[in-house]
Amino acid sequence: LAKTTQPISMDSYEGQEVNITCSHNNIATNDYITWYQQFPSQGPRFIIQGYKTKVTNEVASLFIPADRKSSTLSLPRVSLSDTAVYYCLVGVYAGNNRKLIWGLGTSLAVNP
Amino acid sequence: DGGITQSPKYLFRKEGQNVTLSCEQNLNHDAMYWYRQDPGQGLRLIYYSQIVNDFQKGDIAEGYSVSREKKESFPLTVTSAQKNPTAFYLCASRGGGGANTEAFFGQGTRLTVV
Repeated sequence: LAKTTQPISMDSYEGQEVNITCSHNNIATNDYITWYQQFPSQGPRFIIQGYKTKVTNEVASLFIPADRKSSTLSLPRVSLSDTAVYYCLVGVYAGNNRKLIWGLGTSLAVNP
Repeated sequence: DGGITQSPKYLFRKEGQNVTLSCEQNLNHDAMYWYRQDPGQGLRLIYYSQIVNDFQKGDIAEGYSVSREKKESFPLTVTSAQKNPTAFYLCASRGGGGANTEAFFGQGTRLTVV
């Protein structure tokens, strides 16, 4: 069964740039890559979405190489409030069917 | 304000009882979803509905049931057949545009079997 792979955890300090990479070898041709942020005991919140190359919004950037088998979420100058779990979401092939797969998430800890 | 509301936030259930979790949205979204999240795990899909009066099983539907009688409501019943119901339950909705469209999540319901 196809899956996504992310680092389980990352540590950073306030003001640093944080890059979280997600591997998705079997991404569907027409699918986008979406990243969500989740705080404890809350629902996930949309951060950014892209199809290829680079996408930037007011909170993050998303880098996607030409083969689209991975993506990197970049958080510039993190603060303590960025401490959360980050998930990448893609549609991948599972046999002849297409389904959305949530990664296990990356737990980011931002230290003072 | 537009959004998606889950209630209650915390729920305790005795073994052998059925319980129903509420999910209401005023975003005018056609698609609604129920997920289960266990500690340190990603989200797993229980049921989803693309339109009123229609719903489909997700990856872990056994022991759960849903209904979609109104566009804005998608309640989830955890039945006594669910052997390990203690978890964090999340409801989501999505507008038109297919599976790549942004999903909006509720605040979740934490169910504990006592």
